[in-house]
Amino acid sequence: GAGVSQSPSNKVTEKGKDVELRCDPISGHTALYWYRQRLGQGLEFLIYFQGNSAPDKSGLPSDRFSAERTGESVSTLTIQRTQQEDSAVYLCASSSPGTGRLEQYFGPGTRLTVT
Amino acid sequence: GDSVTQMEGPVTLSEEAFLTINCTYTATGYPSLFWYVQYPGEGLQLLLKATKADDKGSNKGFEATYRKETTSFHLEKGSVQVSDSAVYFCALSPFSSGSARQLTFGSGTQLTVLP
Repeated sequence: GAGVSQSPSNKVTEKGKDVELRCDPISGHTALYWYRQRLGQGLEFLIYFQGNSAPDKSGLPSDRFSAERTGESVSTLTIQRTQQEDSAVYLCASSSPGTGRLEQYFGPGTRLTVT
Repeated sequence: GDSVTQMEGPVTLSEEAFLTINCTYTATGYPSLFWYVQYPGEGLQLLLKATKADDKGSNKGFEATYRKETTSFHLEKGSVQVSDSAVYFCALSPFSSGSARQLTFGSGTQLTVLP
């Protein structure tokens, strides 16, 4: 079956512009996560969805960041008025219900460069 | 809050050498522990996991034992191959079962294996 997919794979944008990053989780996975990976660093948690609701938004770095998920499927991470410090790889992961929730399956990421 | 401290890299070894990558954690309760691997140009993949004290996770010749007394989860392999060259991330999830939770990652260790 298909894994987690993300688009675009690369995005270059000018400072101050808005960007949308998309994640398609594995079919049937009810939990979806967004992480950020800055160059040479570990992954930083941003937000997670259980179904279409987001019980934990604690990782969003500022109010410029928002995310939504529809139909327990696709999720979009939006960054408004991008800044250079937003440059990073944005990773999406999903996990299945039940005991398998522990294992998160990651997409290939979107590399965002803000110039 | 929860945290993961990983051995700093990069690590360079000759083929067939013994590998240890140290990982220690700070968490309340009984976290689950993971090692993820990121091969060049690819997404993060789960390498192995352990969900309770004294559990040993193993996969592809790699092993790690959940040591609660030392709050450690060191990754080992007896004989590395060139194909093991990748970045390795230690991670924890704050509960051993039940609801989905975000992973807390270490900063990653770059491993290069020379022929």
